[in-house]
Amino acid sequence: EAQVTQNPRYLITVTGKKLTVTCSQNMNHEYMSWYRQDPGLGLRQIYYSMNVEVTDKGDVPEGYKVSRKEKRNFPLILESPSPNQTSLYFCASSSLAGPYNEQFFGPGTRLTVL
Amino acid sequence: DQQVKQNSPSLSVQEGRISILNCDYTNSMFDYFLWYKKYPAEGPTFLISISSIKDKNEDGRFTVFLNKSAKHLSLHIVPSQPGDSAVYFCAASAGTDKLIFGTGTRLQVFP
Repeated sequence: EAQVTQNPRYLITVTGKKLTVTCSQNMNHEYMSWYRQDPGLGLRQIYYSMNVEVTDKGDVPEGYKVSRKEKRNFPLILESPSPNQTSLYFCASSSLAGPYNEQFFGPGTRLTVL
Repeated sequence: DQQVKQNSPSLSVQEGRISILNCDYTNSMFDYFLWYKKYPAEGPTFLISISSIKDKNEDGRFTVFLNKSAKHLSLHIVPSQPGDSAVYFCAASAGTDKLIFGTGTRLQVFP
């Protein structure tokens, strides 16, 4: 089954404790992206990657890091989480061979930073 | 600066009737528009899209209309079904630039 998986689905942590949210897709997609969803703000892009070893900032990259060492994986790293990073996070992927904005989304990770 | 706006946070429609969800944008460089649907505890799923060279695209019960002069996009669902109850996000992009999402409209279809 074609899918984007994220882990964990729920996470409660404390300020300053480094964490990683994993994202994996099994569709051989070149494009991968991370979004956060906040009430009244919709989905905002954090980082994206057009292919292995190619990453770029989205609209709200501050406080986040990403890496793309393999085509299928695109982890999101919070080196020192803060309460304003409490949010619902989505990973997405798409093929650059088609309309790459028709993205497949993962189920989401709800993060709470205390 | 909200480049893609969905001014109605919620919409309630009776089953069998038409649902019309609206979206306005400010960036005249946008050339591709999409609608995503999101159920609770799931990620958004792509629903339908339209290129700026068209003014209408239809897929079954779903039709998207684009009015470039008004910078306005709408999604029509006919007939509405209870399973259509979800949050709908409008999104737009300019060339190969990133997707910009609206804030979403929660549609409730009641029997």
